Amino acid sequence: SAVISQKPSRDICQRGTSLTIQCQVDSQVTMMFWYRQQPGQSLTLIATANQGSEATYESGFVIDKFPISRPNLTFSTLTVSNMSPEDSSIYLCSVGGGVHQPQHFGDGTRLSIL
Amino acid sequence: GENVEQHPSTLSVQEGDSAVIKCTYSDSASNYFPWYKQELGKGPQLIIDIRSNVGEKKDQRIAVTLNKTAKHFSLHITETQPEDSAVYFCAASIGKTGGFKTIFGAGTRLFVKA
Repeated sequence: SAVISQKPSRDICQRGTSLTIQCQVDSQVTMMFWYRQQPGQSLTLIATANQGSEATYESGFVIDKFPISRPNLTFSTLTVSNMSPEDSSIYLCSVGGGVHQPQHFGDGTRLSIL
Repeated sequence: GENVEQHPSTLSVQEGDSAVIKCTYSDSASNYFPWYKQELGKGPQLIIDIRSNVGEKKDQRIAVTLNKTAKHFSLHITETQPEDSAVYFCAASIGKTGGFKTIFGAGTRLFVKA
């Protein structure tokens, strides 16, 4: 399976600032996804990062808050904008999936907002 | 909408005993069911999966069963070891226009006591 690297692995940020999370994959992939995992909770899909076009956002998530870039088939970034304490979560990059195919996850970025 | 229910939320077993985690899905169109293990500080890792045309699959100490009629699927871990302690997520994958969607259960925190 693909090796997925996320940076940073963790960060502590001030309220009102923004943080960009990077996801690098060791092979070209069509589908890349960004998830949020709040403490002790399940995984919630934020958006699908599409190469060469705008990301597709799930209900409850908007581009102004979570802008995403996908410049090529091995890299994507997620920015968490104008952060508040409610944004404290683990943010996970994922690739793969499809009918009868598993998704694979990076180790996540643990974000705390003070 | 699509939903995956997972039980129990917490499970504590003695080392060497078996552990069973159960999930129920709502959309009968679901046709792929992966299970993930998430250790502390890590992303979810695929441990086993099953397709809708199979009733049971086994990999060493881990097995998964699927009852499509009842829309139930379960994870069975035999001869549990302390390193099995983690959070386990079930998921159901549904094909949809232009791609697919994976719905995750809420997770089960498994404690294996030595």
